[in-house]
Amino acid sequence: GESVGLHLPTLSVQEGDNSIINCAYSNSASDYFIWYKQESGKGPQFIIDIRSNMDKRQGQRVTVLLNKTVKHLSLQIAATQPGDSAVYFCAENIRGYQKVTFGIGTKLQVIP
Amino acid sequence: DVKVTQSSRYLVKRTGEKVFLECVQDMDHENMFWYRQDPGLGLRLIYFSYDVKMKEKGDIPEGYSVSREKKERFSLILESASTNQTSMYLCASSLYRDRETQYFGPGTRLLVL
Repeated sequence: GESVGLHLPTLSVQEGDNSIINCAYSNSASDYFIWYKQESGKGPQFIIDIRSNMDKRQGQRVTVLLNKTVKHLSLQIAATQPGDSAVYFCAENIRGYQKVTFGIGTKLQVIP
Repeated sequence: DVKVTQSSRYLVKRTGEKVFLECVQDMDHENMFWYRQDPGLGLRLIYFSYDVKMKEKGDIPEGYSVSREKKERFSLILESASTNQTSMYLCASSLYRDRETQYFGPGTRLLVL
């Protein structure tokens, strides 16, 4: 596979189960958070975002939870499918700054 | 849908060559970014631009330069390629008002021999 997947934490999930991918962010001033999905050989793809005035946001089969107290973000994928196999990483941003800080990522492997 | 395209998917160059990586976005975005992605290091920002002819250094600008002559196009230049610049290069763009959400191109995998 692509070298972007090396040295990453890996989560293996049975097809049809729910997946939970976690991210600890670093800056308590961050007020905007994004989850990206990167499939092998492709660029990162926006999945879902959340602002710091929210604790939870839902999309299609995905839910993002934000816990500002412990600076923790999670991405939940319902009924995981083989097409969900990818590297997932979170990103944090402070309003007014163009720069975004990206996490290293977690590799999700879906077992058929 | 936002579309960000990069001129090459794969590129092989020799040490000392000048390398141009081109990125084009079709959504009139103000901001454009160049990153490199390496195993275990994640995405690292090389340069970004918030307007035509404007550029700002990112976290690892050494050995790179950029050019933004038109709003839709942002070029990354390796003046004299070295083997430690072998990497995956990703371009991204974002709207001015919604500038935090960055949309990425497919990436260029560069090998410097």
